Amino acid sequence: RKEVEQDPGPFNVPEGATVAFNCTYSNSASQSFFWYRQDCRKEPKLLMSVYSSGNEDGRFTAQLNRASQYISLLIRDSKLSDSATYLCVVSTGGGADGLTFGKGTHLIIQP
Amino acid sequence: DAGVIQSPRHEVTEMGQEVTLRCKPISGHDYLFWYRQTMMRGLELLIYFNNNVPIDDSGMPEDRFSAKMPNASFSTLKIQPSEPRDSAVYFCASTRGSGGYNEQFFGPGTRLTVL
Repeated sequence: RKEVEQDPGPFNVPEGATVAFNCTYSNSASQSFFWYRQDCRKEPKLLMSVYSSGNEDGRFTAQLNRASQYISLLIRDSKLSDSATYLCVVSTGGGADGLTFGKGTHLIIQP
Repeated sequence: DAGVIQSPRHEVTEMGQEVTLRCKPISGHDYLFWYRQTMMRGLELLIYFNNNVPIDDSGMPEDRFSAKMPNASFSTLKIQPSEPRDSAVYFCASTRGSGGYNEQFFGPGTRLTVL
């Protein structure tokens, strides 16, 4: 089983719709979770950290389910500018030894 | 702040040649990471430094790869000799504080093509 798994997509979603995707991780010792966004031919940038209680940032909501070992990202009222690849990142600790990136989920928002 | 700076942005070389990629982290950041990204394997951590000291190089694929960080403001990733399968985008990233907990700031990447 891969350490961090994501559905590669692409997810084709009409503008204004709500879209959600998950990321599963295999290491139960994982402590930190993030969603990064990567535009085509650009570098990854942090979208949001994922906290145990779940957290929201505008149209974006991230949740963590430790029991089932997955994190999720929900995007409401999707915009054309949300089109990108979303990378799930999981870390086991303070250093970067257990830092693992998923391969990403490709999202396309259609007008 | 200028952000993480990488050079060159694009590199095309022939198999067997030496390639040197350069990175200047954000001032004040004490962690520096080198990643490689391909369609097949995604983003892979190659090596990371803390306070200029290499901490974990288990992601470095072969002895052909080496990385140095002579000071807090400069790091290099060298491939010698290069092979076509090394073709990828190489990212450098830096962060302040605990490398596994905090936001990583990525450079624009170096797109390497080995013919």
